[in-house]
Amino acid sequence: DIQMTQSPSSLSASVGDTVTIPCRASQSISTYINWYQQIPGKAPKLLISAASSLQSGVPSRFSGSGSGTDFTLTISSLQPEDFATYYCQQSYSIPLTFGGGTKVDIK
Amino acid sequence: QVQLQESGPGLVKPSETLSLTCTVSGVSTSSYYWSWVRQPPGKGPEWIGCIFYTGSTNYNPSLQSRVTISIDTSKNQLSLKLSSVTAADTATYYCARTIPAHGNNWFDPWGQGTLVTVSS
Repeated sequence: DIQMTQSPSSLSASVGDTVTIPCRASQSISTYINWYQQIPGKAPKLLISAASSLQSGVPSRFSGSGSGTDFTLTISSLQPEDFATYYCQQSYSIPLTFGGGTKVDIK
Repeated sequence: QVQLQESGPGLVKPSETLSLTCTVSGVSTSSYYWSWVRQPPGKGPEWIGCIFYTGSTNYNPSLQSRVTISIDTSKNQLSLKLSSVTAADTATYYCARTIPAHGNNWFDPWGQGTLVTVSS
């Protein structure tokens, strides 16, 4: 199985900050990575597919980058509604696997 | 607007079979792949498996011996059965549309999820 590692598991930031959330794959996965946002008590919501393709309706302050094993989700000018947990997910091979998540909370 | 809704018992006894149904609205299940994903409390999601309308399935090898996913296109529903459950199977269970594109597969949208607790 491909392991997806998200470290740190949590970070603190302020409204208006730029936040970078890393994700590392245990082997090369090209750009077969997707990012989700999860607010407590809600289902995950797709933000970005294929490493950098922003989904329709997702604010442009979200962006994704990377290829191979190292990937980053960036949130520019953090808004109050962005405080949540973010997960990466690979689809390079079965089983599809997720990272353990990075929780963004208020500093 | 595509919507998914999970339903089923919230409490299952150890060694018994967990059974859930996902009802899809807004799109026919005769399109796309459909997955089950679970999330233990405080942990990241875990993909259980997926199904195409033809009945073709892919399962997570870690669960394959205990999992059955089926689809009823006439009812626009998919189902999950997980046998011989233990406390480790306690989780929120989600169904999700699975979109394949150029080798990539992502989940969008997800149902609201249903918490299943395994306890006697």
